[in-house]
Amino acid sequence: DAKTTQPPSMDCAEGRAANLPCNHSTISGNEYVYWYRQIHSQGPQYIIHGLKNNETNEMASLIITEDRKSSTLILPHATLRDTAVYYCIVRVATGNTGNQFYFGTGTSLTVIP
Amino acid sequence: DAGVIQSPRHEVTEMGQEVTLRCKPISGHNSLFWYRQTMMRGLELLIYFNNNVPIDDSGMPEDRFSAKMPNASFSTLKIQPSEPRDSAVYFCASSRLAGRADTQYFGPGTRLTVL
Repeated sequence: DAKTTQPPSMDCAEGRAANLPCNHSTISGNEYVYWYRQIHSQGPQYIIHGLKNNETNEMASLIITEDRKSSTLILPHATLRDTAVYYCIVRVATGNTGNQFYFGTGTSLTVIP
Repeated sequence: DAGVIQSPRHEVTEMGQEVTLRCKPISGHNSLFWYRQTMMRGLELLIYFNNNVPIDDSGMPEDRFSAKMPNASFSTLKIQPSEPRDSAVYFCASSRLAGRADTQYFGPGTRLTVL
């Protein structure tokens, strides 16, 4: 699987958009980009995923560059409850052989009042 | 949905004792994953199952660790004998098998402390 690079930490003012970048320059054509977050002491929580197109759901938006070498997770109006570690993962859709996720060190996002 | 269920939530044991962690995946999910999280090594995949069959156990640290999935609704991770360095949070996750709809959903974890 392709490796990802994320900044170790970021701050964001409450109510503002949080933009979390991720580099995955070695991503292959069939590899999806997934985002998870982990609030202290809890299990990782799924946020969003995409392959080529930008995606949006009730939690966030995912912007993938045209060359797919990087992506940005956008939390449109950050709240204090969004303070967490955010993981960017690339995963191969391998059919029946497995769906392995490799979590890196992630970005620790702190939302400031 | 009940989500992934893990038990116990906390376990404190003494070195040398056997520890068994339990996981019930989400109904209808065919893949199950065991992860370990420590401050030093982050979140590591230990083993995963597809349709109750172990596919990749290369992440299992030693022979002291073993995992089973006797049926689609239950899995165990056993450590025997336990050592202080096994202290960590152990997460179980499940997903539907392959394809696009295979997001992994994590349980709340078991915090293991080996004294």
